[in-house]
This record gives sequence, structure tokens and C-alpha cells, in this order.
Amino acid sequence: EDQVTQSPEALRLQEGESSSLNCSYTVSGLRGLFWYRQDPGKGPEFLFTLYSAGEEKEKERLKATLTKKESFLHITAPKPEDSATYLCAVADSWGKFQFGAGTQVVVTP
Amino acid sequence: EAGVVQSPRYKIIEKKQPVAFWCNPISGHNTLYWYLQNLGQGPELLIRYENEEAVDDSQLPKDRFSAERLKGVDSTLKIQPAELGDSAVYLCASSSYKGNTGELFFGEGSRLTVL
Repeated sequence: EDQVTQSPEALRLQEGESSSLNCSYTVSGLRGLFWYRQDPGKGPEFLFTLYSAGEEKEKERLKATLTKKESFLHITAPKPEDSATYLCAVADSWGKFQFGAGTQVVVTP
Repeated sequence: EAGVVQSPRYKIIEKKQPVAFWCNPISGHNTLYWYLQNLGQGPELLIRYENEEAVDDSQLPKDRFSAERLKGVDSTLKIQPAELGDSAVYLCASSSYKGNTGELFFGEGSRLTVL
């Protein structure tokens, strides 16, 4: 059975204090690993898709990387507007999605 | 381009009452999903449609939940009768990729409270 574990559950950062979120996964035939951002009361918003180990993608202060067992979402010099819950999901060879529980990030001025 | 539209945004009902949620996906997206999200958890798949066909409904509690996607466009998720444990956010998402390999576009969700 596919499993996705995100850590830490919650992260409190000072503005400008860079950090990383972890997403560990086990999946039968990875077809894609996805990162989403979710603001309170909203649906998840797509950030990145990674397809193979070694792949990296960047968007503003966010950078996602992928290995065979885990993915990291690096937040560089975060701002308060980066406060959100970040969700990781994998799609397996059957086309099934499995989401992690998310990491709640709070960035204080 | 309009995003995924869901209604109602909020619904409060007594237990044993029925409730229905509606979703209109992004135009041209043939794949539609219904997810359930509990507080502090990630979304959990209830059902996935490719056009009007339900291709994965293994996680849908069929004794009380039902869904339809007539004409392969908008969709309705129904719960009858609702139980206290059904209180959650029901998310609809759509994708233009078959086989679940593309990014999902989510609506804002329908928050259900069962009293």
C-alpha cells in the first residue's frame, strides 16, 4: 500500500529563516510526486510535479527536490505570505493519488 | 479561465438528514475527483471519474454515499443519511490528464457540519 509521511507536522519560522519540509514515500511505481499549498478555508493549490530522482523545480522562494525515497520542499528566506499548509502527494502505477497529512508552516515577521 | 466551482460552501444539518454537494470542473477537464478532508489531514479519495465513468470508487462508503456525473461534466455527491462522523470538508478536483498523472485543480470545498 502506498504511504506518504510528511515531517515536521508544524513549523514556525522567523521571516528570512530558511528551512526544509520532508516528504517520505513508498509507492508501487512512482508516476509523479506533487507538492500543493493549502491556505485555511481553501482547496489545495498546485505547486510542483516531480517525476524522477534527481529532478528539481523552483518557484519564487520554493524549491522542490526528489530522491528515490523522499522529497524536500526548501523555503528560502520565507515571508509571512508563505504561511500555509504544504501537502505532498504521490501518484502510483495504477494512477492512484495518496496525500500526506501536510506540514503547517507559520512565518512570523 | 474559471476554476473548479463547488456549492454550497457551508452546510449544517442534523444527523440522519440527506445532503448533496455539487461540482463544476474546469472546462475541458475529463477527469473529476471527490475527496474528503478531515481537519489536520490530507485529502482522501472518495471517487474518480473519467468522463461519465466512475473508474475508482473503492473508497466510497456505498451504503450512504452516492455520486453521479451525468454527461461527463458537472457532478453531484450525496450522503443519505448523514452521520456525525461525516463532518468534514468535501473537495472536488479536476484534471486534464488521464490516468491521474497530471496536477489536480481543486475547488474551495464544501464544509459539512453534522449535528
